[in-house]
Amino acid sequence: NAGVMQNPRHLVRRRGQEARLRCSPMKGHSHVYWYRQLPEEGLKFMVYLQKENIIDESGMPKERFSAEFPKEGPSILRIQQVVRGDSAAYFCASLDRGETQYFGPGTRLLVL
Amino acid sequence: GDSVTQMEGPVTLSEEAFLTINCTYTATGYPSLFWYVQYPGEGLQLLLKATKADDKGSNKGFEATYRKETTSFHLEKGSVQVSDSAVYFCALSDRGATNKLIFGTGTLLAVQP
Repeated sequence: NAGVMQNPRHLVRRRGQEARLRCSPMKGHSHVYWYRQLPEEGLKFMVYLQKENIIDESGMPKERFSAEFPKEGPSILRIQQVVRGDSAAYFCASLDRGETQYFGPGTRLLVL
Repeated sequence: GDSVTQMEGPVTLSEEAFLTINCTYTATGYPSLFWYVQYPGEGLQLLLKATKADDKGSNKGFEATYRKETTSFHLEKGSVQVSDSAVYFCALSDRGATNKLIFGTGTLLAVQP
């Protein structure tokens, strides 16, 4: 059973470009969380999605950030017009029937 | 709101030493508690968890007991190895509608041979 998959693992963007981060949950999981880890900090919750629904986006910045989890395909975290402060590791996690979240390897975004 | 506080690192130990990483929490309800480990350049791996008071989570020689009276979930291991060097995160799940995780800031453990 494959684990949570994220791609790309590393992403470099220049200021003003768009970043798209993808997450495929574990097989059978239909709940996805996104977290951001800034340098030297812990993980902060961003958004929680189920298939085709955003359940909780209380941790998402109000501008430039969006997330989706379509019926088919991976969950996408999209950052428009990136700035240097967006440089971070972005992790997604999927939830089993209990309450244990399983994390992917992360995407490390570097904004030049 | 809910929060997690864990001891700051880095913690540097010699191989076979005893490890304690302190973690305390603040929560309005009855959260589940977790320890995750992050090896360099990797994602988080669940190390252990406990879902109710007095539960003890254990895995790979690590243990933590859910102490409601002291709102703590300290991580312990009797004899650390070099391979245990990593960042350890304490977290709680709000067990509400979203089960989102709230993390502590992480503690870097460095074990020297």
